[in-house]
Amino acid sequence: DTGVSQDPRHKITKRGQNVTFRCDPISEHNRLYWYRQTLGQGPEFLTYFQNEAQLEKSRLLSDRFSAERPKGSFSTLEIQRTEQGDSAMYLCASSRDSSSGNTIYFGEGSWLTVV
Amino acid sequence: GQNIDQPTEMTATEGAIVQINCTYQTSGFNGLFWYQQHAGEAPTFLSYNVLDGLEEKGRFSSFLSRSKGYSYLLLKELQMKDSASYLCARISGYSTLTFGKGTMLLVSP
Repeated sequence: DTGVSQDPRHKITKRGQNVTFRCDPISEHNRLYWYRQTLGQGPEFLTYFQNEAQLEKSRLLSDRFSAERPKGSFSTLEIQRTEQGDSAMYLCASSRDSSSGNTIYFGEGSWLTVV
Repeated sequence: GQNIDQPTEMTATEGAIVQINCTYQTSGFNGLFWYQQHAGEAPTFLSYNVLDGLEEKGRFSSFLSRSKGYSYLLLKELQMKDSASYLCARISGYSTLTFGKGTMLLVSP
């Protein structure tokens, strides 16, 4: 399978713990995105990478959130000192670096439950 | 802002046609996507419109009017498996997507 893959698919953690999610984009896709989605809402943009450069961050991304894409391939999203409000599905997506019709493909998502 | 508005819920009967509307703010517009999302799953790509007009792809078609800030997704010959949330999203800036809240479509027999 050559789609966007995310790991882990499900994570239950206690409040205050740190969690890290990994995303492997579709190969040849330069652009990588992180979104967060809660029940009954559309996905909300968190951050965007072009190759290894983090070009855009949402104001939703508090200081407890950090994302990296060190070699321009896979990416990690870390949440420190988790809070119950962080419970959501974290979606990774990728696309080509093209000026026309960059279709953005999503991974299966990583479900986070903070108890 | 980039407010995207779409109906919260719609119902339709198997075999029928349904149109899901989406309106958005036009400033900085670079294209519009429709995604389908089944419960608990990731969004899957349906269509992309950047020019005015109708794009047809099998049972699904998508329409865009840039001057009106309006799009719709048309689903024909509805099947039970089409019951899902349909997300309208506009593209802006560095190709980031801003999503609406989604329209939950329920197809009944």
